[in-house]
Amino acid sequence: EAQVTQNPRYLITVTGKKLTVTCSQNMNHEYMSWYRQDPGLGLRQIYYSMNVEVTDKGDVPEGYKVSRKEKRNFPLILESPSPNQTSLYFCASSSLGTGSRNEQFFGPGTRLTVL
Amino acid sequence: QKEVEQNSGPLSVPEGAIASLNCTYSDRGSQSFFWYRQYSGKSPELIMSIYSNGDKEDGRFTAQLNKASQYVSLLIRDSQPSDSATYLCAVNVHGGSQGNLIFGKGTKLSVKP
Repeated sequence: EAQVTQNPRYLITVTGKKLTVTCSQNMNHEYMSWYRQDPGLGLRQIYYSMNVEVTDKGDVPEGYKVSRKEKRNFPLILESPSPNQTSLYFCASSSLGTGSRNEQFFGPGTRLTVL
Repeated sequence: QKEVEQNSGPLSVPEGAIASLNCTYSDRGSQSFFWYRQYSGKSPELIMSIYSNGDKEDGRFTAQLNKASQYVSLLIRDSQPSDSATYLCAVNVHGGSQGNLIFGKGTKLSVKP
């Protein structure tokens, strides 16, 4: 089954404790992206990647890191989480190949609470 | 700043009626347009994509695109309570990094039995 998976689905942590949210897709997509979603603010892009070893900042990159060492994986790293990073996080992927139409497919989401 | 605008709602329609959701976008060069459905606490699910002017129908859903007016809409016929969700409009970023989409903040639809 074609899918984007994220782990963990739920996480409660404390300020300053480093954490990683994993994202993996099995569709051989070149493009992957991380979003956060907050009430009233909609989906905001954190980072994106157009291929292995190619990453770039989105609209709200502060406090986050990413890496793309393999095509299928795109982990989101919070080196020192703060309460304002409490949010619902989504990973998404899409194909960039010839004829691609930018259709993004989303993972199930990770609800993060930073105390 | 490239934007996608949607009425936040809530839009309330009775069961069996047609729900009409609207979206405007600012980037005249955009070529790809999407509608996502998002249930509360769940991930966005792609339900329609449209790339050329006119209508595109898929079951009870019809997407309409008017590039001259920079307007895209979604019609849901025979609305069901299970259609109650937030609908996100998304548009590709012309001239930006391929793959990036701009999302509207969504319209909340409530279908009353």
